[in-house]
Amino acid sequence: EVVLTQSPATLSLSPGERATLSCRASQSVSSYLAWYLQKPGQAPRLLIYDASNRATGIPARFSGSGSGTDFTLTISSLEPEDFAVYYCQQRSNWPLTFGGGTKVEIK
Amino acid sequence: QVQLVESGGGVVQPGGSLRLSCAASGFTFSKYGIHWVRQAPGKGLEWVSFIQYDGSNKDYADSVKGRFTISRDNSKNTLYLQMNSLRAEDTAVYYCAKDASSYGTGLYYMDVWGKGTTVTVSS
Repeated sequence: EVVLTQSPATLSLSPGERATLSCRASQSVSSYLAWYLQKPGQAPRLLIYDASNRATGIPARFSGSGSGTDFTLTISSLEPEDFAVYYCQQRSNWPLTFGGGTKVEIK
Repeated sequence: QVQLVESGGGVVQPGGSLRLSCAASGFTFSKYGIHWVRQAPGKGLEWVSFIQYDGSNKDYADSVKGRFTISRDNSKNTLYLQMNSLRAEDTAVYYCAKDASSYGTGLYYMDVWGKGTTVTVSS
């Protein structure tokens, strides 16, 4: 199974700052990687799919990049509603797997 | 609007069974594959199972293979997860989630999620 390792575990930033989240795969997943955001008590929400494509309705401040084993989610300027947990997910190999998450918290 | 509503969660003893349901509305259910994803208390997301739009293909995480069965009734716009031989480690919120692609074109990302139903396995 493909293991996804997210770093850092926690990111402490202020509104307006840039956030850079990492997801590393144990083997190549090509560009078959997605990012989700989950707020406390809510279901996850799809942000990015196939490494760099924004899902419907996702603001342009969210961008994804990477291929192979190293991926990055960038939030250009944090809004108050962006403080949450972010997960990556690969679909290159079954079983589908998620990373352990990165919590973006208010500094 | 597009909506998924899970039900059927509850408290069950180890070794027991439970059947979860997921009612879909606001989209053509029969065109889309559906996933089950779970989240243990305070933990991350774990993919559990997937069923193709027409039920022709199913897949399971190793942790539930042989114990859980996914199925769907397209005439009722409903997805099911039959869970047998439940263990304490199956305790989680169970989400159903719509696949982002239709007719098996295979995106295998989840673009619409329900709010989840809680399963607690405890004696």
